[in-house]
Amino acid sequence: AQSVTQPDIHITVSEGASLELRCNYSYGATPYLFWYVQSPGQGLQLLLKYFSGDTLVQGIKGFEAEFKRSQSSFNLRKPSVHWSDAAEYFCAVGAQKDYKLSFGAGTTVTVRA
Amino acid sequence: ETGVTQSPTHLIKTRGQQVTLRCSSQSGHNTVSWYQQALGQGPQFIFQYYREEENGRGNFPPRFSGLQFPNYSSELNVNALELDDSALYLCASSSSGGIHEQYFGPGTRLTVT
Repeated sequence: AQSVTQPDIHITVSEGASLELRCNYSYGATPYLFWYVQSPGQGLQLLLKYFSGDTLVQGIKGFEAEFKRSQSSFNLRKPSVHWSDAAEYFCAVGAQKDYKLSFGAGTTVTVRA
Repeated sequence: ETGVTQSPTHLIKTRGQQVTLRCSSQSGHNTVSWYQQALGQGPQFIFQYYREEENGRGNFPPRFSGLQFPNYSSELNVNALELDDSALYLCASSSSGGIHEQYFGPGTRLTVT
């Protein structure tokens, strides 16, 4: 069964500093990987996805993520954080012939001035 | 292009009652997935509907049921509500059955007392 681990429950970062959120997945075949962001009281917004090809993927809002098969990881990065990036971030994994996304427990990002 | 919409926004029910939540999929999408997000957790997959048929189901009891209509909108029904059913219920639409980019609605916050 597929699963996702987000090791960091909460991260605090200064505005303008870089951000990296960790995601490790467990799946037997090539996974489909996603990062979503959720602002308080809101639904989930897709930041980026990886299906195949280039292992470094670019997303919206200046985010990027790198798929590393050898480490079963799909970490999310942003070079310079803005106050509006404060939110909860979820990593999710799916399978090509599956129908569901499996989500991690999320990482809450706080941005300090 | 209209995004995914859900109604109602908030709902308070009593244990043992029944509830119906509604979701309108994004224009051009024929697949709807439902997720339950308990407080402080990632979303958990309930089921997916593709072209009016249940396409897959997560680990939820039969008292969680659904429908998809010819216009691809969907309902989630929960019978015999329990306190643990209190959660944010998220609907996501996509352009085909299975794993593809899923676009989420804002959710319905259900409180069971």
